[in-house]
Amino acid sequence: DAGVIQSPRHEVTEMGQEVTLRCKPISGHDYLFWYRQTMMRGLELLIYFNNNVPIDDSGMPEDRFSAKMPNASFSTLKIQPSEPRDSAVYFCASSPRGRWTDTQYFGPGTRLTVL
Amino acid sequence: QKEVEQNSGPLSVPEGAIASLNCTYSDRGSQSFFWYRQYSGKSPELIMFIYSNGDKEDGRFTAQLNKASQYVSLLIRDSQPSDSATYLCAVFPSGTYKYIFGTGTRLKVLA
Repeated sequence: DAGVIQSPRHEVTEMGQEVTLRCKPISGHDYLFWYRQTMMRGLELLIYFNNNVPIDDSGMPEDRFSAKMPNASFSTLKIQPSEPRDSAVYFCASSPRGRWTDTQYFGPGTRLTVL
Repeated sequence: QKEVEQNSGPLSVPEGAIASLNCTYSDRGSQSFFWYRQYSGKSPELIMFIYSNGDKEDGRFTAQLNKASQYVSLLIRDSQPSDSATYLCAVFPSGTYKYIFGTGTRLKVLA
């Protein structure tokens, strides 16, 4: 089975531009997570979905960030307008069910650089 | 605030030695504990998880959990240079369905 798929793998943009990151979870997984990783703050959960419904977005840093999951096989994380401090690696992860023994499977990440 | 703490390292060990990585957590009701390995420029990948007090072994890896002390550790026996990576501890706190990750410990195995 294919793992979690993310695109693009690298994104370089200028401050003020809109950025859209994409994720395809593992088929059959009910949970999808968006993380951001920086050297200073480590791996931070931004938002997660259960069956396409956003459950907890308390980690979304501000209104410039939004995430959607229109169907079970696709999610987007949008930053508008982007700022240099948004530069980070953004990971998408999925897991099968809502159990506390579930493993999260990570995608390869999108490295975002905002100039 | 539910927190997970790890020493950032780097932890340097010679090849063939035992590497010991430690993690403490603040939520006493936490249910399960995961160790992920992350190579530079790559995504985290699961090594193992544990949810009962005591030891759990998988090949060269042993996870140890002490809920009374709120402490979980990962031992890597016969460390190899290929084990050089950042090791992330993740905790599944009570009342939620989301991991809390530590900031990771960077391990360097010296040939």
